[in-house]
Amino acid sequence: AAGVIQSPRHLIKEKRETATLKCYPIPRHDTVYWYQQGPGQDPQFLISFYEKMQSDKGSIPDRFSAQQFSDYHSELNMSSLELGDSALYFCASSAQPAARTYTFGSGTRLTVV
Amino acid sequence: AQKITQTQPGMFVQEKEAVTLDCTYDTSDPSYGLFWYKQPSSGEMIFLIYQGSYDQQNATEGRYSLNFQKARKSANLVISASQLGDSAMYFCAMRELSSQGGSEKLVFGKGTKLTVNP
Repeated sequence: AAGVIQSPRHLIKEKRETATLKCYPIPRHDTVYWYQQGPGQDPQFLISFYEKMQSDKGSIPDRFSAQQFSDYHSELNMSSLELGDSALYFCASSAQPAARTYTFGSGTRLTVV
Repeated sequence: AQKITQTQPGMFVQEKEAVTLDCTYDTSDPSYGLFWYKQPSSGEMIFLIYQGSYDQQNATEGRYSLNFQKARKSANLVISASQLGDSAMYFCAMRELSSQGGSEKLVFGKGTKLTVNP
């Protein structure tokens, strides 16, 4: 069965650089989510898109932006990277409402040096 | 306020024994969903089991079962016949409605690190 595809798996960037993470959700899932998981932390919700429109926003820094494209893939753009942005970034997808499964991608491990 | 509480930062269990991981939740919505995910050291988030607030029976998936006590707002995960490969971080999560409209998202507890000893 198709899963949520994230790329790249690992990314190393220097401070003040820009990073772009990509996510391809499960076909027919109408909602995409982005989560950030710091070392030893639980995943924190950043932003979501329902049918290509932003549907909810969490604790996402202003330096971050995201969008969902016509082919349903989503990108998380992070600018002016800081050391504290080093984390595991997950994309997930589901079919609303009352989803019984949220499928997560394998994550992108971002290291800012 | 924390909506999902996992009070056990770490748990140890002997191989082949059963273990219960605790999860309590807080919500005023009559319709909600509770999830358990496993996160091995490799980092991926693996879905284990789901319990809907209106589901009549406790959920089961192979060696995983959910002890759902609605009045107590608890949704404990029971792993039977533990295996060495069960050693991982386990997160309890709840589906909640956004305050900004009809969208939904998952909110997670802090997690429990399970170690299975041979």
